[in-house]
Amino acid sequence: GESVGLHLPTLSVQEGDNSIINCAYSNSASDYFIWYKQESGKGPQFIIDIRSNMDKRQGQRVTVLLNKTVKHLSLQIAATQPGDSAVYFCAEGWGGKLIFGQGTELSVKP
Amino acid sequence: GAGVSQSPSNKVTEKGKDVELRCDPISGHTALYWYRQSLGQGLEFLIYFQGNSAPDKSGLPSDRFSAERTGGSVSTLTIQRTQQEDSAVYLCASTAGLGHNEQFFGPGTRLTVL
Repeated sequence: GESVGLHLPTLSVQEGDNSIINCAYSNSASDYFIWYKQESGKGPQFIIDIRSNMDKRQGQRVTVLLNKTVKHLSLQIAATQPGDSAVYFCAEGWGGKLIFGQGTELSVKP
Repeated sequence: GAGVSQSPSNKVTEKGKDVELRCDPISGHTALYWYRQSLGQGLEFLIYFQGNSAPDKSGLPSDRFSAERTGGSVSTLTIQRTQQEDSAVYLCASTAGLGHNEQFFGPGTRLTVL
């Protein structure tokens, strides 16, 4: 069945370092992918998305890379800050439906 | 409204009782989604609405779960004869419509079934 999974369930980084969160997806028909950030007790917050016809997209301090050959998605956070500590979810979408992965917890050490 | 709102924020109920969860999407958003999130888990898709119609109900876990949306705005998710395994956070999200990828989430309703 369709699934989206994450390689690393937890990630601990030093403040100021770059973070890379990885995700594998299985549905080659997915036409867009989204990264969400979820802080404790809150709903997920949109970070960045990328369409399947792209392989890279940059936002403010974040970059998403898409490798359709190996069905891999990554989120890079530059100069990670304590406020970046949260659970990060990747999701794949098609036709309005969005399937989420299990999440990676990012912990930023001061 | 300024954002997606959900009510109640917390609901404790006894096994076997029915519950209704409410979602108010962002004004003007035509698409509305319901998800379930168990503790420490990812989001499980339940159902989505485009306007008042629900083209995809495949995520509803059983026939005890139903959802409706009237007037293209507010949606209610109803769980009948609740079971302990229904305990989770139920999240609602809305988007401006198909083709608009960014889903704006509400804070969720934490449901506890005793």
